[in-house]
Amino acid sequence: AQKVTQAQTEISVVEKEDVTLDCVYETRDTTYYLFWYKQPPSGELVFLIRRNSFDEQNEISGRYSWNFQKSTSSFNFTITASQVVDSAVYFCALSQNFGNEKLTFGTGTRLTIIP
Amino acid sequence: GAGVSQTPSNKVTEKGKYVELRCDPISGHTALYWYRQSLGQGPEFLIYFQGTGAADDSGLPNDRFFAVRPEGSVSTLKIQRTERGDSAVYLCASSQSSASTDTQYFGPGTRLTVL
Repeated sequence: AQKVTQAQTEISVVEKEDVTLDCVYETRDTTYYLFWYKQPPSGELVFLIRRNSFDEQNEISGRYSWNFQKSTSSFNFTITASQVVDSAVYFCALSQNFGNEKLTFGTGTRLTIIP
Repeated sequence: GAGVSQTPSNKVTEKGKYVELRCDPISGHTALYWYRQSLGQGPEFLIYFQGTGAADDSGLPNDRFFAVRPEGSVSTLKIQRTERGDSAVYLCASSQSSASTDTQYFGPGTRLTVL
């Protein structure tokens, strides 16, 4: 069975601070995919990133960066110089590689950026 | 282009009634997924279609829930004899195919409230 744990239920930081959202996953598959989605107050899930289990290179996209460490089964997400628009619930998710990409989500981390 | 759309955006019904929730995927996307998101939780997988057929319905909670996708495009999630515990946001997602390299794009959801 697959499982995703986001231990941080809520985080608040002051604008311009950096913040890291933690994600730990469990799977028996050797090939799998990891995702981050953003859910702003409007409710629609917005795709941020997908990584496969063979690619442990960290990735940076603007103010966003992701740290994938297979040894600790973690896929953490860092926002640098946070902005008020970053306020949202962030979900980490996991899928198998058997032609069915159903996602297993964590419970999410509510991030509030204080102006 | 247009994203995934879902109608209605809100549905209030009484316990015991029948409801239908509609999903219009992104044009050309062959894979379609339904998820359910309860308050404070991450989305939970319900059912996945590849084309017209339900390839995986392992997430449907019981036989009161049923979904169809007769022409391989629009899908309808049907709930019979609704119960208060069915209250949640029902999310639809589509992807270009069921390949694990394809990203799922989510609609805004239908908020179902069972009184």
